[in-house]
Amino acid sequence: SAVISQKPSRDICQRGTSLTIQCQVDSQVTMMFWYRQQPGQSLTLIATANQGSEATYESGFVIDKFPISRPNLTFSTLTVSNMSPEDSSIYLCSVQGSSNQPQHFGDGTRLSIL
Amino acid sequence: KQEVTQIPAALSVPEGENLVLNCSFTDSAIYNLQWFRQDPGKGLTSLLLIQSSQREQTSGRLNASLDKSSGRSTLYIAASQPGDSATYLCAVSSAGNNRKLIWGLGTSLAVNP
Repeated sequence: SAVISQKPSRDICQRGTSLTIQCQVDSQVTMMFWYRQQPGQSLTLIATANQGSEATYESGFVIDKFPISRPNLTFSTLTVSNMSPEDSSIYLCSVQGSSNQPQHFGDGTRLSIL
Repeated sequence: KQEVTQIPAALSVPEGENLVLNCSFTDSAIYNLQWFRQDPGKGLTSLLLIQSSQREQTSGRLNASLDKSSGRSTLYIAASQPGDSATYLCAVSSAGNNRKLIWGLGTSLAVNP
């Protein structure tokens, strides 16, 4: 399975600032996803990162708040903009070769906003 | 709207026991179902994927079954070990154009030596 490196692994940020999370895969993958896991809750899909085009966002998530880039088939970034304490969460990158294959995850980014 | 429920929310067992984790889903029109484990401070590790046409999948001491008509899946762990302690998550991919995963809240498992 693909090896996924996610950076940073954790960060503590000030309210109103922005943070960009990177996801690097060791092989080309068709699909890349960004999830949020808030304390005590299940995973929530933020968006599907599309190579060379705008990401596809789920209901409740907007590009201005969570801009996503995917310049190629091995790399994607998620930015959490104008952060507030409500954005404190674990953010996870995942990849999938096709719909009938498992999704594989990075170790996540633990984000705390003061 | 698909909803995924996992029971129990937490489970504590002595080492060596065989155990069953349960996952139920409300819409039987699924594409596949996946089981993951999540260790504290870590991401998710894919354990087993069952396609909608399959009844079960096995990997080592793990066996996952799927009864699509009743909206249920079970994850059976044989001869549990302390290293099995983790949160186990079930996720369902619905049939149709949008095959995104819908997640349960997980079962937190503690295997005591």
